Amino acid sequence: QAVVTQEPSLTVSPGGTVTLTCGSSTGTVTSGHYPYWFQQKPGQAPRQLIYDTSNKHPWTPARFSGSLLGGKAALTLSGAQPEDEAEYYCLLSYPGALGGTFGGGTTLTVL
Amino acid sequence: EVQLVESGGGLVQPGGSLRLSCAASGFTFSNYWMHWVRQAPGKGLEHISHITSDGSDTKYADSVKGRITISRDNAKNTVYLQMNSLRAEDTAVYYCVRGGGAYWGQGTLVTVSS
Repeated sequence: QAVVTQEPSLTVSPGGTVTLTCGSSTGTVTSGHYPYWFQQKPGQAPRQLIYDTSNKHPWTPARFSGSLLGGKAALTLSGAQPEDEAEYYCLLSYPGALGGTFGGGTTLTVL
Repeated sequence: EVQLVESGGGLVQPGGSLRLSCAASGFTFSNYWMHWVRQAPGKGLEHISHITSDGSDTKYADSVKGRITISRDNAKNTVYLQMNSLRAEDTAVYYCVRGGGAYWGQGTLVTVSS
């Protein structure tokens, strides 16, 4: 089973920009992995922010964007707000296998 | 409004069994794959199983293979997770997730302890 890697923790200043990344032990992450990004706050179920690399839901704040960057999937937060402090998980799909493997999560601190 | 409501969690002894249910509403259930994702206390998310829209194919994570069975009843808009031979490391919140990942239930806590 593939291993999906994320930064354990990142810190961003209010109003600042930060990029979270998501890598795969099998090699380059492509659009064929249909990268997903989820936000989870304490005591809540995860909420999907991004699907299929860069697509947003109506509830996704405009300051979040998804992309492929340097062989990884990336989630960029531009103009961080205090309410963005949360755990962020990526999910990559691997065809033929159990439909999706989560990364270990990134704890994002807005400070 | 899409709703997923899990039930069936609770305290069970090691080696015991439990069946989780997830009642779906607000969408055409039979059109979607369904997933179970769990989260141990203070840990990350683990995708443990999925089932195709017609129930013809299922997949399991290595950590639960042979001990867990996913099934669904499209007439009742419900997906199930039968859990056997439970271990302490199965203690977690279990989430039901609609295919695509946009909709999650509130989760049900399973605690395996003597």
